[in-house]
Amino acid sequence: AQSVTQPDIHITVSEGASLELRCNYSYGATPYLFWYVQSPGQGLQLLLKYFSGDTLVQGIKGFEAEFKRSQSSFNLRKPSVHWSDAAEYFCAVGAVGGRGKLIFGQGTELSVKP
Amino acid sequence: DGGITQSPKYLFRKEGQNVTLSCEQNLNHDAMYWYRQDPGQGLRLIYYSQIVNDFQKGDIAEGYSVSREKKESFPLTVTSAQKNPTAFYLCASSPLAGSTDTQYFGPGTRLTVL
Repeated sequence: AQSVTQPDIHITVSEGASLELRCNYSYGATPYLFWYVQSPGQGLQLLLKYFSGDTLVQGIKGFEAEFKRSQSSFNLRKPSVHWSDAAEYFCAVGAVGGRGKLIFGQGTELSVKP
Repeated sequence: DGGITQSPKYLFRKEGQNVTLSCEQNLNHDAMYWYRQDPGQGLRLIYYSQIVNDFQKGDIAEGYSVSREKKESFPLTVTSAQKNPTAFYLCASSPLAGSTDTQYFGPGTRLTVL
């Protein structure tokens, strides 16, 4: 069965520092991969997605993610974090032919220190 | 503006009462989804629908019911059979039936059962 693991429940970084949020998935074939962000009490907004092609994907708000098949990972990165990036981040995986269903990780809450 | 609306934003109900959460989209999307979000558990799929008058159970359908009489509407009823209904509920839609793609989320409804 498909699954998604976000090993870090909570991460704190200083403003201006770099950020990497980890995501590991379990799926037999090449999955469709997503990163979403959620501000408190709000819905989810798509940051970026990977379906095929270049394994380094650029998204909104200066985020990028790299698909590494050998490590079953899709880690999210940002070179310089801003205070407004404080939020919860979710990794999700969808199956080819999966009727549109996505499996979400448990989320990583990001705090930003001034 | 195109998007997904959920109403109300906050909902309070007494234990044992059924309650219906509204979800409307004007994106002309085929597929719609309902998720439940609890702290530390990510998003769990309740029900999804690919076309009008058809829907499928997700991972945690017990105690919930849905209908899809119109393409733009996918209301969720939380019944008295749901043992722990207090949660944040998110509705989403995606463009094509049966196809894995970006899901677009509404702002959510926070249900509190007293």
